[in-house]
Amino acid sequence: DSGVTQTPKHLITATGQRVTLRCSPRSGDLSVYWYQQSLDQGLQFLIQYYNGEERAKGNILERFSAQQFPDLHSELNLSSLELGDSALYFCASSRDSNYGYTFGSGTRLTVV
Amino acid sequence: GQQVMQIPQYQHVQEGEDFTTYCNSSTTLSNIQWYKQRPGGHPVFLIQLVKSGEVKKQKRLTFQFGEAKKNSSLHITATQTTDVGTYFCAGYNNNDMRFGAGTRLTVKP
Repeated sequence: DSGVTQTPKHLITATGQRVTLRCSPRSGDLSVYWYQQSLDQGLQFLIQYYNGEERAKGNILERFSAQQFPDLHSELNLSSLELGDSALYFCASSRDSNYGYTFGSGTRLTVV
Repeated sequence: GQQVMQIPQYQHVQEGEDFTTYCNSSTTLSNIQWYKQRPGGHPVFLIQLVKSGEVKKQKRLTFQFGEAKKNSSLHITATQTTDVGTYFCAGYNNNDMRFGAGTRLTVKP
């Protein structure tokens, strides 16, 4: 157990639907990051939050949005899902940007 | 913007052989981190290098940070089947962390 909790572990949904992925960071970590990893690919940075505020944005589609709540947990919302959105979505947390990241086990999203 | 290139993309070795992956940044980095992702798993933080020319060792793994703080390497001596996975570098500068594409290592027993 890395200390970063992601739910659900697996998600199967149809095209056009909307899903919410949830992440609870490691205790004491203020930064939360979301990454997308397609099959056998690298880690594509989506977005970072720090203590409730958006700090950095990567290649996140307009159909995707995220937020970090006062208790520091974060949610990634994916809407109007397409087949190409099927991927592993990782959440990571750290004390701040220049510290090592602790990754969660990921949510495997399958869009059918 | 900052780019982090990692080579090779794949490396297949015989158990007992050495392995090295290289990471190059287009800009000077404040620090560089290395992660390992086992097949079917999530990335796990291995180490962070901060100083120019820094060398750190973890058992059979040796990590180096270049003098100009723009490149880094991870060397594994005498690979074992437990070393299988994808190794990612991640370069940090100006509140921007960029992951390399990773090097996938397979080890033949």
